[in-house]
Amino acid sequence: AQTVTQSQPEMSVQEAETVTLSCTYDTSESNYYLFWYKQPPSRQMILVIRQEAYKQQNATENRFSVNFQKAAKSFSLKISDSQLGDTAMYFCAFTRGLTGNTPLVFGKGTRLSVIA
Amino acid sequence: GAVVSQHPSRVICKSGTSVKIECRSLDFQATTMFWYRQFPKQSLMLMATSNEGSKATYEQGVEKDKFLINHASLTLSTLTVTSAHPEDSSFYICSPRVQNTIYFGEGSWLTVV
Repeated sequence: AQTVTQSQPEMSVQEAETVTLSCTYDTSESNYYLFWYKQPPSRQMILVIRQEAYKQQNATENRFSVNFQKAAKSFSLKISDSQLGDTAMYFCAFTRGLTGNTPLVFGKGTRLSVIA
Repeated sequence: GAVVSQHPSRVICKSGTSVKIECRSLDFQATTMFWYRQFPKQSLMLMATSNEGSKATYEQGVEKDKFLINHASLTLSTLTVTSAHPEDSSFYICSPRVQNTIYFGEGSWLTVV
């Protein structure tokens, strides 16, 4: 079974600074998909970034980028120029496929606080 | 863009009663629906997977007779918590999938008193 581990329950960062959230996963699949989701106090799940395992290039979305190390099974999220609105829970998630009955498996989450 | 509507957003029910949570995809048809449960300060845990017109597949430890899932159409799935108990109080989230895109409902807070 696939597992996702987020070893940082809580983190804080000063506004405008950069922070990196860690995520490791375990799978025997060769192709899969990784995600970072943001969950603000509203509890709405918001997709931050997505990475296909077969793509070597790290995904980026504006201030958000990932460091995907397939051999190490590591998928960290870097948030640059942190903003107060980035304060939220961040979940790393894995799925072995985007078709059929393949659900997302979530890590336990990292609570990020951006401090003014 | 695609919108998923989940209702009610908050519900309080008495112990022993049943409550139904609806999840509607407003501008797409979802062949697969995932239902997750999230306890306070915890992660999302998969409860069950359903396909339109088929019986749901439940995760280990999830009582299928207690958490009834109906996926009768491509735009509507429901989760009914039967004979609710205080320990069923949680945040429930639906997640429809279409093609290669995953969506999430806004979630439903259930409090059983």
